Amino acid sequence: GNSVTQMEGPVTLSEEAFLTINCTYTATGYPSLFWYVQYPGEGLQLLLKATKADDKGSNKGFEATYRKETTSFHLEKGSVQVSDSAVYFCAQIQGAQKLVFGQGTRLTINP
Amino acid sequence: DTGVSQDPRHKITKRGQNVTFRCDPISEHNRLYWYRQTLGQGPEFLTYFQNEAQLEKSRLLSDRFSAERPKGSFSTLEIQRTEQGDSAMYLCASSLISSGRSSYEQYFGPGTRLTVT
Repeated sequence: GNSVTQMEGPVTLSEEAFLTINCTYTATGYPSLFWYVQYPGEGLQLLLKATKADDKGSNKGFEATYRKETTSFHLEKGSVQVSDSAVYFCAQIQGAQKLVFGQGTRLTINP
Repeated sequence: DTGVSQDPRHKITKRGQNVTFRCDPISEHNRLYWYRQTLGQGPEFLTYFQNEAQLEKSRLLSDRFSAERPKGSFSTLEIQRTEQGDSAMYLCASSLISSGRSSYEQYFGPGTRLTVT
């Protein structure tokens, strides 16, 4: 079945470092892809999305490009802040109904 | 827009007791989803409704679980005879699906954390 695989965490970076969190998926067809973020003590928030190949989703300085050739949707940010510390989830929509999530990557940014 | 709300936020119960959680979706959203998230894992789909109709149930949803959305607005998730393995965060999400809409974003509530002792 469809699945999502994220790079294992935790990831620890210094403030202003460059961030990449890898995400690959398996699917039939071309599902919409998402990144969600979960801050401590809060629910999941949609961070960005891409609905077709070569689309680039972006929000709050984060970007991810839908690459059908490599079945990837890697999350990037050029300069991270302490406030970006959270758990990040990559997900795809299956059958236009349910989200299938990766296992999450915990990110900690040190000042 | 008040977002998706869930009640209670935390529930501690003894093994064998029944519990019920409530979810209020974003008001104009016609789809409502339930997911379960265990520690260190991503959320897993349990079930979803379109208006009042329950259209899909995961194999994770054993006979002890039942979900309803009687008037197509709020939903309840009941777990009967709770077990320690039911301890998890139960997340509710909603979305608006209409003809021509293809992005399928789901908006999540804060979750209900269940602890079974």
